[in-house]
Amino acid sequence: GNSVTQMEGPVTLSEEAFLTINCTYTATGYPSLFWYVQYPGEGLQLLLKATKADDKGSNKGFEATYRKETTSFHLEKGSVQVSDSAVYFCALPGYSSASKIIFGSGTRLSIRP
Amino acid sequence: DAGVTQSPTHLIKTRGQQVTLRCSPKSGHDTVSWYQQALGQGPQFIFQYYEEEERQRGNFPDRFSGHQFPNYSSELNVNALLLGDSALYLCASSRREGRTDTQYFGPGTRLTVL
Repeated sequence: GNSVTQMEGPVTLSEEAFLTINCTYTATGYPSLFWYVQYPGEGLQLLLKATKADDKGSNKGFEATYRKETTSFHLEKGSVQVSDSAVYFCALPGYSSASKIIFGSGTRLSIRP
Repeated sequence: DAGVTQSPTHLIKTRGQQVTLRCSPKSGHDTVSWYQQALGQGPQFIFQYYEEEERQRGNFPDRFSGHQFPNYSSELNVNALLLGDSALYLCASSRREGRTDTQYFGPGTRLTVL
């Protein structure tokens, strides 16, 4: 089945720093790829997604590009804010477009003012 | 447009009791999936309902059961609660069309078993 490996945290950065959270995947075919975010005490929110190779998902200043050659979907942001402090999960479908979502272990991000 | 809603927000039970959690999907969605998220971990898939039937199931015991109603809302039932069932239970809804079956999550129900 499909799987995802995510950069371990926690990650602590200063405000306005550049962020990269690494994510690599193993999959049959070319499934959609997702980044979800979980703010303290809340449920999961879909941050961005990409549906095919070379697609770039973007939202709230975050970007991730679907790289087939390196089987990666790294999350980046040019200038982080304190409000970006949260846990970030890389994810993909289990085996088909209608299947369960498989999540990475999550990366906790803390931003210092 | 209301998103996915879940009730209750928090719940405290004791070992051996039974619990029912509820979920209303996003408008226009017909598929509901349930996940368990233990503290500090990623969500783990419990099962998925579509057309009022369980379509997929993760590695969870039969103590975990569910139901989907004609209006697409869903319930998760857990019997004979164990301390290890303490977790955040997340409901996600999606629509079975196209290739991108994106799932949208509710705020979750935090279950504490004492």
